[in-house]
Amino acid sequence: TQLLEQSPQFLSIQEGENLTVYCNSSSVFSSLQWYRQEPGEGPVLLVTVVTGGEVKKLKRLTFQFGDARKDSSLHITAAQPGDTGLYLCAGSISSGSARQLTFGSGTQLTVLP
Amino acid sequence: NAGVTQTPKFRVLKTGQSMTLLCAQDMNHEYMYWYRQDPGMGLRLIHYSVGEGTTAKGEVPDGYNVSRLKKQNFLLGLESAAPSQTSVYFCASSQIGRGVHEQYFGPGTRLTVT
Repeated sequence: TQLLEQSPQFLSIQEGENLTVYCNSSSVFSSLQWYRQEPGEGPVLLVTVVTGGEVKKLKRLTFQFGDARKDSSLHITAAQPGDTGLYLCAGSISSGSARQLTFGSGTQLTVLP
Repeated sequence: NAGVTQTPKFRVLKTGQSMTLLCAQDMNHEYMYWYRQDPGMGLRLIHYSVGEGTTAKGEVPDGYNVSRLKKQNFLLGLESAAPSQTSVYFCASSQIGRGVHEQYFGPGTRLTVT
């Protein structure tokens, strides 16, 4: 059983469309991170959120941490082919070690030109 | 500044063979990690280290050993490879910032065990 559930697992959209991917858990996280991974490469950190209700923007990407710190969402506005990749959320459990991250299984996004 | 590097990039082993994967980081990070990534499973932590000379088990440690003799290097060993260890292996390093460990990953090693 995945501690962090990501949905959808796969998403294919046309350039210019908007999309939202979700990261959900029954556990409370002290912090949550989003990574993007391109084929043949390691994950690259996009953002870290630490406060319940926190919203962070990175150009056309908007990240939100749920009020209860159990879930997060990533919204992309006007998606571009360069946004294609595997999006992973990862969280530090409040009762656990901040040294360890638990990763979701990822959302594979394909943006078609 | 190369960040996190991993060698080799690809390797094919026969069942029962052994090998060592090398991870190096030049960011002076205290913490280092080894993960494996399998389709539909995300990243799973194998072992990690909180400093030179220390190691600890992660979620899936069986069949693997690690060593951190130098702060910048973290080695992952497979003593007797099994087909179930076919995977992509990622090394990462991190440093505490606001109590959060933001991890930096290497490019990965693709291992096939036949």
